[in-house]
Order: sequence, then structure tokens, then C-alpha cells
Amino acid sequence: AQSVAQPEDQVNVAEGNPLTVKCTYSVSGNPYLFWYVQYPNRGLQFLLKYITGDNLVKGSYGFEAEFNKSQTSFHLKKPSALVSDSALYFCAVRDMDSNYQLIWGAGTKLIIKP
Amino acid sequence: EPEVTQTPSHQVTQMGQEVILRCVPISNHLYFYWYRQILGQKVEFLVSFYNNEISEKSEIFDDQFSVERPDGSNFTLKIRSTKLEDSAMYFCASNWAGGDEAFFGQGTRLTVV
Repeated sequence: AQSVAQPEDQVNVAEGNPLTVKCTYSVSGNPYLFWYVQYPNRGLQFLLKYITGDNLVKGSYGFEAEFNKSQTSFHLKKPSALVSDSALYFCAVRDMDSNYQLIWGAGTKLIIKP
Repeated sequence: EPEVTQTPSHQVTQMGQEVILRCVPISNHLYFYWYRQILGQKVEFLVSFYNNEISEKSEIFDDQFSVERPDGSNFTLKIRSTKLEDSAMYFCASNWAGGDEAFFGQGTRLTVV
């Protein structure tokens, strides 16, 4: 069965420090991987995706993510966190060999402290 | 920048009543989706729609749910007889190709009382 795990409910980082939000996945076919961000009272905003090619993908707002096939992971990273990065982050996967629906992680609340 | 719009932003309804949630996807997109997020829980897939028909649906999408694209621009989700457990944030999304990133609306918060 397809699944996505975000092992941390919350991540706390000091402003200016690097941040990592973890995501692991399980699909039977080839994965398309996505990160979305949700600010309070807002919809889900696309950050970045991995489909094929370089394992390190760059996205919006200075975020990047590294696809690791052997570890089935797709961790979200940013070299220097901003207070404005505080939000809820969701990892999602699509099994391109079977369907187009997105399977979502539970979300990680990222808190950046000044 | 084109965006997906949803109306209303918040709807309160009595149990057993019918509700229609409305969405205007991005105009040149071909695939349309509904997801929901019960408070404090994961985002869950409900249904996808392509070429004027449902292409996938989840177990959640039972007979009380239906979708329609009545006029080539709107994409609606109807819940025929709402239950308390239907209370959730409902997100509409669309994309050009099924594998692309989906663009989401800001959601409709449905409260069933």
C-alpha cells in the first residue's frame, strides 16, 4: 500500500539555522514526490517536486529537497530559516504507475524562533 | 497568477441537509480533484475528474457524494445528506497533466451541526 510518513509532528529551529523536515514514502511503482506548505487559514501551496533527474531539487522560498531512493526519503531542507517559514509542511507522493491521486503525510509544524 | 478559487470559504449546515461546494479550477487545466482534511488529521483524497468523468475515487467518496462540471468552468462537490463526520476542510485542486503538481484552492470549511 502507498503511504507517506512524516515522523515529526513539530520541528523547532532558531532563525538563521538550517532546517530539515523529514519525509519517507512507500509506493510500489515510481514515485512522484511533492512538498506543500500551508499557512494559517490558507490553502496548500506547492513548494517543489521530484519526478526524475537530479536527486536534489530546488523550490520556492529557498527550499530544497533531496530524493534518496535507497532510504525512500525526500527530506525538505533550507540552509537558513526565516521566522516567516513557520507553517505546516506536507509531504505527498503519487504512484505514477497506478494513479494520479496524492497520498499525504500527516504534516509537520515548523516553528522558527527569532 | 492564475489560481483555483473556492466558494464559500465557510459553510455551516444542519445534519441531513445537502451542500454544494464550488470550485473554479485554473482555466487550461484538465484534471480536477477534491481532497478533505478533518481537523487535526491527514489530507485525504476524495475524487479525481478528467474528461467529464470520475477517473478515481476513494472509499470515502460513497453514494452521498457526487461531482459535476456543469458549465466548463465550475467544478462542484455535492454532499447529499450531510453527517456530523463530514465536517472538514474541503480542498479543490487542478492540474494540466495528472502527474504535475496540483494547484489548490484555499478550501471550504464545512461545519455540520
